[in-house]
Amino acid sequence: GENVEQHPSTLSVQEGDSAVIKCTYSDSASNYFPWYKQELGKRPQLIIDIRSNVGEKKDQRIAVTLNKTAKHFSLHITETQPEDSAVYFCAAILSGGSYIPTFGRGTSLIVHP
Amino acid sequence: GAVVSQHPSRVICKSGTSVKIECRSLDFQATTMFWYRQFPKKSLMLMATSNEGSKATYEQGVEKDKFLINHASLTLSTLTVTSAHPEDSSFYICSARDPEDRPRDSPLHFGNGTRLTVT
Repeated sequence: GENVEQHPSTLSVQEGDSAVIKCTYSDSASNYFPWYKQELGKRPQLIIDIRSNVGEKKDQRIAVTLNKTAKHFSLHITETQPEDSAVYFCAAILSGGSYIPTFGRGTSLIVHP
Repeated sequence: GAVVSQHPSRVICKSGTSVKIECRSLDFQATTMFWYRQFPKKSLMLMATSNEGSKATYEQGVEKDKFLINHASLTLSTLTVTSAHPEDSSFYICSARDPEDRPRDSPLHFGNGTRLTVT
């Protein structure tokens, strides 16, 4: 089955800095990669996603890049704000299969004001 | 957008009792729902896939007699933690995908989660 590795587990930055979270996946057939943000005690919320036919996608301060050859994808947050503090999960989905996402272990992002 | 409602949000129970958690899709019919368990500062661990009108599919290592799943209607799935023990204390989250969403691998919609504490 699919295996998703996510790094780092904890990321601490100063407000205004950029934050990068990286994920690698094992199944080259995976072709959909969503990112979720989960605030403490709340539900995970989709923040951005990317499909395998695209190398990069951007939405305001958030961007995701995908390297299918290397089987890794990254979340980039620029101009971080304290409200960006949360746990971020990457996931990989094998379309044409069960469509069940395999999640990374999560990254706890702390943005210091 | 699609909404998944989960109830209760918090429950405290005594060891040996059973607890039922409900997951409802409010504005769509979900033939499949997913139950996750999340430990503090850990990832979402898929426990089982709930299928409307048939038996749930459990992930390896998840006791089906311990975690009973019932998906009796297209909008409701329940997870019952039977004979709960302190080690069952965790955050349980359900999710579903709107079958009308396209493409089929569209994002999951998550419930708000249930914080279970077994004393």
